[in-house]
Amino acid sequence: ETGVTQTPRHLVMGMTNKKSLKCEQHLGHNAMYWYKQSAKKPLELMFVYSLEERVENNSVPSRFSPECPNSSHLFLHLHTLQPEDSALYLCASSQFSGSADTQYFGPGTRLTVL
Amino acid sequence: AQSVTQLGSHVSVSEGALVLLRCNYSSSVPPYLFWYVQYPNQGLQLLLKYTTGATLVKGINGFEAEFKKSETSFHLTKPSAHMSDAAEYFCAVSPTKSLSGGYNKLIFGAGTRLAVHP
Repeated sequence: ETGVTQTPRHLVMGMTNKKSLKCEQHLGHNAMYWYKQSAKKPLELMFVYSLEERVENNSVPSRFSPECPNSSHLFLHLHTLQPEDSALYLCASSQFSGSADTQYFGPGTRLTVL
Repeated sequence: AQSVTQLGSHVSVSEGALVLLRCNYSSSVPPYLFWYVQYPNQGLQLLLKYTTGATLVKGINGFEAEFKKSETSFHLTKPSAHMSDAAEYFCAVSPTKSLSGGYNKLIFGAGTRLAVHP
């Protein structure tokens, strides 16, 4: 595997379910990100982990819970979601250099909440 | 606060025609500037970025962009469109001063969907 991988690619869940999204980066980076991509809206940064510590949490509802057990893996735990949470969830990683770091994105998980 | 405006949510061109996708930013100081592309069912991929120096930046797949400080713009161009260029394009900015958290925050525009017809 190369780059940034995400599983599952598609997920359908009910409002009372609990599920998790997984992201793995094979690039040796030290920062990982979760973004939400909804139709006709700019990408929304949800969470950032740098050196496995959460450094940004953009007022995301508590029904989204991130976890970063090591520098290569990032999870997004989901519970009691709402239909408006249906979106493409993108994971990204970067290597902090103090300059214009390039973020490398995974293919995303298409989430549908019924 | 920084922001990005992409003029035109949809652009349609003929194969072989010039591609011009517009991006303007708002920032108290010139930021780092990026263009990303998203092909169907894929994540975002970096096309090019501007940091410092030469204001005309060349990227992958024949794309280039020019940083114009006086116009606060970073428009993306390609001389001749190809069918494979059909995708969504995102302009993004990040501050030149690193955040204390050890990462650079990207602020994205809403995207422009490019259609290329024969």
